[in-house]
This record gives sequence, structure tokens and C-alpha cells, in this order.
Amino acid sequence: DVKVTQSSRYLVKRTGEKVFLECVQDMDHENMFWYRQDPGLGLRLIYFSYDVKMKEKGDIPEGYSVSREKKERFSLILESASTNQTSMYLCASSDRNLYEQYFGPGTRLTVT
Amino acid sequence: TQLLEQSPQFLSIQEGENLTVYCNSSSVFSSLQWYRQEPGEGPVLLVTVVTGGEVKKLKRLTFQFGDARKDSSLHITAAQPGDTGLYLCAGRGTGAGSYQLTFGKGTKLSVIP
Repeated sequence: DVKVTQSSRYLVKRTGEKVFLECVQDMDHENMFWYRQDPGLGLRLIYFSYDVKMKEKGDIPEGYSVSREKKERFSLILESASTNQTSMYLCASSDRNLYEQYFGPGTRLTVT
Repeated sequence: TQLLEQSPQFLSIQEGENLTVYCNSSSVFSSLQWYRQEPGEGPVLLVTVVTGGEVKKLKRLTFQFGDARKDSSLHITAAQPGDTGLYLCAGRGTGAGSYQLTFGKGTKLSVIP
């Protein structure tokens, strides 16, 4: 059974803090993705990675960075959290056959 | 920029009714996927359609990919409360470097017992 795990289900941080969100997949997938999901805006792609140490900006990369040092792990970093980054963050991975994406359970981040 | 328009945005029906959700675009996709998401959880893949005109069935759910691979539909027969959730369609572009998917904004379905 495919598995994508995220480090936290719920997280509360203060404005200005540095925040790390971790994602691990056990499917040996090449591609990994970070999205945020907000009511009325749908899923928006922040960053993705198609290989170890490779990263590409998505639609809304401002205020975020990513790291992929190992194939199975993709980290999202909020350098200085702001209240407008309060959201549901979803990680996903996919292979290079059908590019079907498998999602983690999500992290509900609240920045106060 | 590829866009996927889903309709309706919200749907509230009685248990036992049938329904159809639509996913439309002016762009051609190499494949299209449907996901269901429950509150507080990540989306779960239901099906992938690849060939124009393809029809796939998953119990009471029927998925169709348009002949021109620009649109898709999801039909649910005799809806059950367990079908409640957010349904998302997502398409993969035809370019060689198309690693990511374009997602629709979703259809929020409520099935009332």
C-alpha cells in the first residue's frame, strides 16, 4: 500500500518563526510536490521536485523554500512565517508513468 | 496556462439520487485523474483515464474521458452518505516536461440520508 507521511497533522506557530514541514514517501517516486489548499482557491502548487536536489517553482513560491536531499524526503520551509501562510499544506508524490499523485494526510498550519 | 473548470461547485442531494460532475478545459490533456477528499484529509486517487472516449467504472461511480481529451465527467448512481466529500479532477499536460498536474477547484458533494 502506497504511503506518504507528513511530520505533523496540526501545527501552531508565531509570526516570524521558521517552520519546517517534512514529507516522506515509501514508493520510490521520482516526483514530489508541495501544495497549499485554501477555501475557494483550491489546490495551489508551491514547489515541486523531479529528482534529488532538483526543485522547480510552482504557482506561489514566494515566502517558501524547499529541500530534497534524499529521494524519499521533501521538506517545505517557511523562512519567516506570516499570518497569510495559515493554511492546509499537502505533500504528494508521483511516478513517471501515469504521473498519478499520492497525497499525505496534510498539515493544518496556523500562524498567530 | 491550462485551466480545468469543474461544475457544479456545490451539490446537495438525497440518498439514492444520481448525479454528474463535470470537468472542462480548452486544453488537451494526456491523462486525467479524479480524486476524493474528506474534510481534514488529503485527496485520494479514484481513477486515471488516458484514452479519449475511455469509460471506467468503480462500483457506483462511472468516469468518462472526452473524445478530444479536453473534458471528463463523473457520474454517481444511487448516491450514498459515504460518497460525501470534495471531488477533484486533475489533468496532466501533453508536454514532455509535464511533471505536475492542473487541478480543478473541486465539487463539494453532500449526500443527505
